[in-house]
Amino acid sequence: KAGVTQTPRYLIKTRGQQVTLSCSPISGHRSVSWYQQTPGQGLQFLFEYFSETQRNKGNFPGRFSGRQFSNSRSEMNVSTLELGDSALYLCASSYTGGPNYGYTFGSGTRLTVV
Amino acid sequence: SQQGEEDPQALSIQEGENATMNCSYKTSINNLQWYRQNSGRGLVHLILIRSNEREKHSGRLRVTLDTSKKSSSLLITASRAADTASYFCATIWDPNAGGTSYGKLTFGQGTILTVHP
Repeated sequence: KAGVTQTPRYLIKTRGQQVTLSCSPISGHRSVSWYQQTPGQGLQFLFEYFSETQRNKGNFPGRFSGRQFSNSRSEMNVSTLELGDSALYLCASSYTGGPNYGYTFGSGTRLTVV
Repeated sequence: SQQGEEDPQALSIQEGENATMNCSYKTSINNLQWYRQNSGRGLVHLILIRSNEREKHSGRLRVTLDTSKKSSSLLITASRAADTASYFCATIWDPNAGGTSYGKLTFGQGTILTVHP
């Protein structure tokens, strides 16, 4: 059973640019959540998608957006990049995004904004 | 914002010793999970304990949960150098928050464990 696949693994972008990250969940999992990890703020929830709908959203500015496709693959987009957006971005997949199942994380995308 | 505190922030032990990490949280929960992270890679799920459980074991791992104190502990017995990693607790599904809990794990700051050979 394939795990959660995140691409790319590493990205270097310039301030003001935009970036798109991809996450392919475990087959059969319909919920995909995204997290930002930084040394200062730790792991913070960005948003969650289920059946192509955003069901939940964390406290991030509108520059952070996402979407989910019919095959449950998800993308997140960050526009007008700032230096503070440098972080490890993790996605996690789950059957339902509810309380009764575990979450499987991908290896992450390391984004560096210069 | 983070759910709560993990204690200690860093722990250094010798192989063969036991390692205990503690986690506190603030809201009501449905379950609590522990994860391991190696060198800034992805998180690996270790164990899940439900709010109606008090203790759970998985191999060398033992987790306890005290919902009255809103705290949990993770014990790793007979530690190995390969256990060196960061360990995070994460809570899920505040029953009082309804739909705003979907897909949302709330993490502690983590404990950095170093096991010396």
